[in-house]
Amino acid sequence: GENVEQHPSTLSVQEGDSAVIKCTYSDSASNYFPWYKQELGKRPQLIIDIRSNVGEKKDQRIAVTLNKTAKHFSLHITETQPEDSAVYFCAASRHNQGGKLIFGQGTELSVKP
Amino acid sequence: KAGVTQTPRYLIKTRGQQVTLSCSPISGHRSVSWYQQTPGQGLQFLFEYFSETQRNKGNFPGRFSGRQFSNSRSEMNVSTLELGDSALYLCASSLGSTGGTEAFFGQGTRLTVV
Repeated sequence: GENVEQHPSTLSVQEGDSAVIKCTYSDSASNYFPWYKQELGKRPQLIIDIRSNVGEKKDQRIAVTLNKTAKHFSLHITETQPEDSAVYFCAASRHNQGGKLIFGQGTELSVKP
Repeated sequence: KAGVTQTPRYLIKTRGQQVTLSCSPISGHRSVSWYQQTPGQGLQFLFEYFSETQRNKGNFPGRFSGRQFSNSRSEMNVSTLELGDSALYLCASSLGSTGGTEAFFGQGTRLTVV
């Protein structure tokens, strides 16, 4: 069945360091991969997404890479700041499955000042 | 532009009762999806509605059902509540004629079953 594995479940870094979160998906037909950030007590919000026809996408301090062959995608945050502390979720979906997103289990990122 | 609105924000129900949750999507969005969020299981897909029809369904028992109205507002119903149904229920709306568009989440309804 459809499944997304996310690692690590918790990640602690010093302010200014980089953070990397990795996800692996099982459905080879998946072609859309969003990343959501959820701060404590708040709703998940999209921070970046990538489609299967692109290998890498960058937005300021955030980048996502996709390896379709390995069915693997990663979130990279550089120059981390305390306000980056949150739970990050990766997700995967198919073009023909509308709004259905399969989420990873989440990574709790803590950035220490 | 108003965001996705869920009501109520909090609910406490007794085991065996039923509950209805409501989600108003962003204006113009025709797809509404529902997710259950628990500490142990993360975000799990319940179902998606598009133009008043259920388009996708997750692996939840038939006690979980939903519907969508002509104005795209959606409701989710859980019957015969169990303690394990305690969770944050999130809905998300998107333009959604096909996949691959940003999903905007509501703030969720926190359901506690006692």
